[in-house]
Amino acid sequence: AQSVTQLDSQVPVFEEAPVELRCNYSSSVSVYLFWYVQYPNQGLQLLLKYLSGSTLVESINGFEAEFNKSQTSFHLRKPSVHISDTAEYFCAVSDLNFNKFYFGSGTKLNVKP
Amino acid sequence: SAVISQKPSRDICQRGTSLTIQCQVDSQVTMMFWYRQQPGQSLTLIATANQGSEATYESGFVIDKFPISRPNLTFSTLTVSNMSPEDSSIYLCSVEDRVRNTEAFFGQGTRLTVV
Repeated sequence: AQSVTQLDSQVPVFEEAPVELRCNYSSSVSVYLFWYVQYPNQGLQLLLKYLSGSTLVESINGFEAEFNKSQTSFHLRKPSVHISDTAEYFCAVSDLNFNKFYFGSGTKLNVKP
Repeated sequence: SAVISQKPSRDICQRGTSLTIQCQVDSQVTMMFWYRQQPGQSLTLIATANQGSEATYESGFVIDKFPISRPNLTFSTLTVSNMSPEDSSIYLCSVEDRVRNTEAFFGQGTRLTVV
């Protein structure tokens, strides 16, 4: 079985500051890794994913995440956040057969002006 | 990508009643899932909706409380039965197609309040 830990439930940050949202996972098998974003009153949207290849993956809006197998981590980073990045971010894993997705408890990113 | 339509988007229900949530996908998909997101918490998988057979439930969820239908490859329903205030949550439909996609797509969710 897999599990996902997001240690930070809330992260306040000022606009244009860098941010890191932490995600660690536990699994006895190889996994795929995902970050989903949930804007207020909206559904979940895929932000980025790691399936294979380069361990650094990027999204179209400036976020990036690096898969670190030895540390079983998949932290999400952005060098300069915007007000519009205010949302809840969920880290998730699935096994290589996509049998199930396991989600972390979420991190609420609050970007202040 | 898959476009998912979930109905209703929100509802307020009396305790003891039941609510059926519909999930319609714009293309045929192999796997459909139902999740619950309780207030302030993450998503928890309720069950996998299997086409042509009974749903597969996760630990802590039972068919009597959450009956699921999957009559074809584009549609599923989740019923929340005999509701209590503890059932107040967001219920999300999710789909995944192993052949064409490598991610899960989610509906907008149904925000259920039980009073």
